[in-house]
Amino acid sequence: GESVGLHLPTLSVQEGDNSIINCAYSNSASDYFIWYKQESGKGPQFIIDIRSNMDKRQGQRVTVLLNKTVKHLSLQIAATQPGDSAVYFCAERWSGGYQKVTFGTGTKLQVIP
Amino acid sequence: SAVISQKPSRDICQRGTSLTIQCQVDSQVTMMFWYRQQPGQSLTLIATANQGSEATYESGFVIDKFPISRPNLTFSTLTVSNMSPEDSSIYLCSVARGTGDNEQFFGPGTRLTVL
Repeated sequence: GESVGLHLPTLSVQEGDNSIINCAYSNSASDYFIWYKQESGKGPQFIIDIRSNMDKRQGQRVTVLLNKTVKHLSLQIAATQPGDSAVYFCAERWSGGYQKVTFGTGTKLQVIP
Repeated sequence: SAVISQKPSRDICQRGTSLTIQCQVDSQVTMMFWYRQQPGQSLTLIATANQGSEATYESGFVIDKFPISRPNLTFSTLTVSNMSPEDSSIYLCSVARGTGDNEQFFGPGTRLTVL
């Protein structure tokens, strides 16, 4: 079936540097994408989303980029902090899928103090 | 935002028994979902809990194994039946207020270990 996957399972970043987490998706019908952060022992927490009619969206210290041509999604975290250490999931949704969200495999971000 | 609580937060169960997990939301929501997250893995949708009707199950999940109830707009239960060690996982409840690009909120999860 259709799936969402990630290139890197773990990413180590020095505190203060920028982090880039990548994601490839395969469902060309997906029209809404979300990034989630999951800390140990907790449920996923919404970070930022982007619709398929956009290619960039910025939040506080985070930016999501969408390249529909190559079906690629990325999350950029500026000035990475120790509190950013977590597992990050990209997820996709198709408007005809009744809010059903499909999650990617996840990337563990480790921030080195 | 929506505040979601799950009970129990964790449990250790014997093979062949069943466990019912409760999900309570602090406000009425349109959509409720149940996910499974096996250790070190991503989330997999089990089913969509529909208020007043039977749940909609994803491929690989069946009602006999994972019966779901949703008696109202703020509460749902997931039962893991006739458990085996392969059912050891984190089970997460998720909600969305309505259709469209609405944020989906997740509960803290229930960590289940089957011996």
